[in-house]
Amino acid sequence: GQSLEQPSEVTAVEGAIVQINCTYQTSGFYGLSWYQQHDGGAPTFLSYNALDGLEETGRFSSFLSRSDSYGYLLLQELQMKDSASYFCAVRDFSGGYNKLIFGAGTRLAVHP
Amino acid sequence: DGGITQSPKYLFRKEGQNVTLSCEQNLNHDAMYWYRQDPGQGLRLIYYSQIVNDFQKGDIAEGYSVSREKKESFPLTVTSAQKNPTAFYLCASSISGGNEKLFFGSGTQLSVL
Repeated sequence: GQSLEQPSEVTAVEGAIVQINCTYQTSGFYGLSWYQQHDGGAPTFLSYNALDGLEETGRFSSFLSRSDSYGYLLLQELQMKDSASYFCAVRDFSGGYNKLIFGAGTRLAVHP
Repeated sequence: DGGITQSPKYLFRKEGQNVTLSCEQNLNHDAMYWYRQDPGQGLRLIYYSQIVNDFQKGDIAEGYSVSREKKESFPLTVTSAQKNPTAFYLCASSISGGNEKLFFGSGTQLSVL
């Protein structure tokens, strides 16, 4: 089967850097996605890594190591609006169909 | 504006009642999904559809049913067989079934009276 593990909570201060880790176990790995969800809102897509290495998009970067089945989301110059839950996701190919599976999420609290 | 619309935003279900959650998209996406989210938890897949007139069960399909008669629409029915329906329900779509970028609706909060 498939599984995704990420920390349940992370706390940081404004202006700091925070890293949210995700380890995965799945069959037929294609890549790792990250989503952001503010309380009561809809998840929004942040990034997708199919190859090893770091992908940078503004203040957010995402890293993947396929050999270690590990990835992380790096948030720099933290702002209060970054307080949200962050989910990693992978494709699951069991049962003959492929579907996107999400981790339980990491709740990030940014303090002044 | 293109997007994905869920309605209603809040829904209440009585004991033994079936309720239907609406999901419509005008993004011309082939694939659509239903996820359930319980407080403080992640998203669990209920049903998904990669193309019109076809859908597959996700990890927690028991007590739910769907239809995909039109590309734009993917309604979810929560049946009386679902004994713990209180949750936040999210509908999503993607260009194709293998695309990693999902677009989510704003969700429906279902509660039991």
